[in-house]
Amino acid sequence: EPEVTQTPSHQVTQMGQEVILRCVPISNHLYFYWYRQILGQKVEFLVSFYNNEISEKSEIFDDQFSVERPDGSNFTLKIRSTKLEDSAMYFCASSGLAGTEAFFGQGTRLTVV
Amino acid sequence: KQEVTQIPAALSVPEGENLVLNCSFTDSAIYNLQWFRQDPGKGLTSLLLIQSSQREQTSGRLNASLDKSSGRSTLYIAASQPGDSATYLCAVEDSSNTGKLIFGQGTTLQVKP
Repeated sequence: EPEVTQTPSHQVTQMGQEVILRCVPISNHLYFYWYRQILGQKVEFLVSFYNNEISEKSEIFDDQFSVERPDGSNFTLKIRSTKLEDSAMYFCASSGLAGTEAFFGQGTRLTVV
Repeated sequence: KQEVTQIPAALSVPEGENLVLNCSFTDSAIYNLQWFRQDPGKGLTSLLLIQSSQREQTSGRLNASLDKSSGRSTLYIAASQPGDSATYLCAVEDSSNTGKLIFGQGTTLQVKP
């Protein structure tokens, strides 16, 4: 069964460092998303990406964040200068179209120290 | 601004019991509603998707209903099993057509043998 895969599963980084979280969405999907979940809190939307551009982003997704689809299979989230409060589980998701079922990866747990 | 609330926050039942999880949302202008399961420290597994024009969806022992006008959805789990123990998340996709999901805080279910 097709699935969304994320790497790494866990990343520890020092404050101020850049991190890149990687995702391989389901191959025939057109919409890609990043969400995050701070421990004990709700899953929060960060950004949606369609047709090689951002279609919507949240207030959380400030200039420190960027997304890219560098080739036909990968979808990445970059945090330029990590802060302690960026520590969270980051989920990648994809869907065939907007309004259809979204499938999530297993997440990358980011710990900023 | 769309808000999604899930009640109860936690639920503990004996094995075999039928149970209902509740989800409410403040803005009825939704595209669809999706129920997910999340195991501790893991990703989100899609359970059911209900389009805004539908009233219910069924998958195995799970049945989800949607009353868009009153801003409510329920997830009914029949004949609960210990393996059903997890956190159940409700998410609505708003009408922006970007695929953005807004999540509730979840109901943590424990099914005791």
